[in-house]
Formats: sequence, structure tokens, C-alpha cells
Amino acid sequence: GAGVSQSPSNKVTEKGKDVELRCDPISGHTALYWYRQSLGQGLEFLIYFQGNSAPDKSGLPSDRFSAERTGGSVSTLTIQRTQQEDSAVYLCASSRGQNYGYTFGSGTRLTVV
Amino acid sequence: QKEVEQNSGPLSVPEGAIASLNCTYSDRVSQSFFWYRQYSGKSPELIMSIYSNGDKEDGRFTAQLNKASQYVSLLIRDSQPSDSATYLCAVRTNAGKSTFGDGTTLTVKP
Repeated sequence: GAGVSQSPSNKVTEKGKDVELRCDPISGHTALYWYRQSLGQGLEFLIYFQGNSAPDKSGLPSDRFSAERTGGSVSTLTIQRTQQEDSAVYLCASSRGQNYGYTFGSGTRLTVV
Repeated sequence: QKEVEQNSGPLSVPEGAIASLNCTYSDRVSQSFFWYRQYSGKSPELIMSIYSNGDKEDGRFTAQLNKASQYVSLLIRDSQPSDSATYLCAVRTNAGKSTFGDGTTLTVKP
């Protein structure tokens, strides 16, 4: 597609429920990244995919967080047993490769109540 | 020490002035450097990338890199109210991901 597409744009969930966030990168972009941004804070790295493999999962906060990427394209970030501290904007970005900047999607605003 | 440090601001400049945004980084093997602009409530948008020492100009924007001093800056000439945003510095090593600074908030006053 023309840009990075994320869905849903907003998600309100009850504490303890599981959520899935989806990212559809720009066609042909081999690298895909997940970050999150809490209100008024900087970008916190979560995970990075090159193709379908994830060489860097170092930013996942706990084992409640997991992500996969299939067909070198769409990625899903899953948060199990959500907690209030998971509330943030989850941003997905893609790039043509290591030496290129990111194109970000518009994000998913997750609110855990 | 944070990996990427920026002055949080706010930085306020009058319309038409030069805005100067600074960033330092700690990892000497960093290879690629980026500036992103983030409007309130929006996602970051890439505005400049720089890979070698010196200056790189693109319209009203100039990025400057000094690897010996581990310093990268962004100059915005003829600042406009529409430039009011948070500017994020990002640094990438060969590991693949970028590490972001916390951003500098710029306000351009008419």
C-alpha cells in the first residue's frame, strides 16, 4: 500500500483481556518495527523484524507480549492479560533496509480500563 | 546516561529565525542518524537522514553530524509557525533498530 496501515486505530479493553494489534507495512519494505509511546514520553522499542524473523526482541516488556510476521508482510503484536500500564500508543514502522529511515503508521491507541 | 540525549525544551523562536536542535549519542559505532518531526497527536515523520560527517541540506533544513564529538544537530532556517512540533533525534547502529531521544519541543511564534 501507499503507507503503513495499522488497525485498530483505537482499542479500549478490560484489564486481563488479550488484544491483537495489526500492522501492514509498505509493500517491499523488508524491515518492520514496533514501538510504543506513552503520553508525553519518548518512543520505546519493542521488536524488530527483518523478513519474517525477529533478530531483536529485546524491547518486549514481558512474556505477555509477542509478535509475529508472516509472508514478509503483515505483522501482529499480541498482548495477553492486559494491564493498565500497557496503555499507550503502539506504533509500527517499516523501512527499505537498515540504512533507511522509518515510515510510521498512524498508531493504535490502547486503553486498558 | 541515555543512549540518545536531547534538550527537552521547550525551545521558542520568533517566526523567520533559525531554530537549532541538538542531539548527542553514546554509541561510537552508530552508523545512521535521523531527524523526525512529530506534531501533537500524530505519528513521527522522517524529515532528514545523515550518514557521514558534515552538513546535509534539504530546503530549509540542515542536518550536521560530527562523529568524533558524537553530536548531530538540525537547523531550521526561516522558521514558520507550522514548524512548531516535537523533533526526535534517532540513531541506528548495525543492530538494525533506531534508538530515539525523548524529543525537543519547538514553538515558532508569529
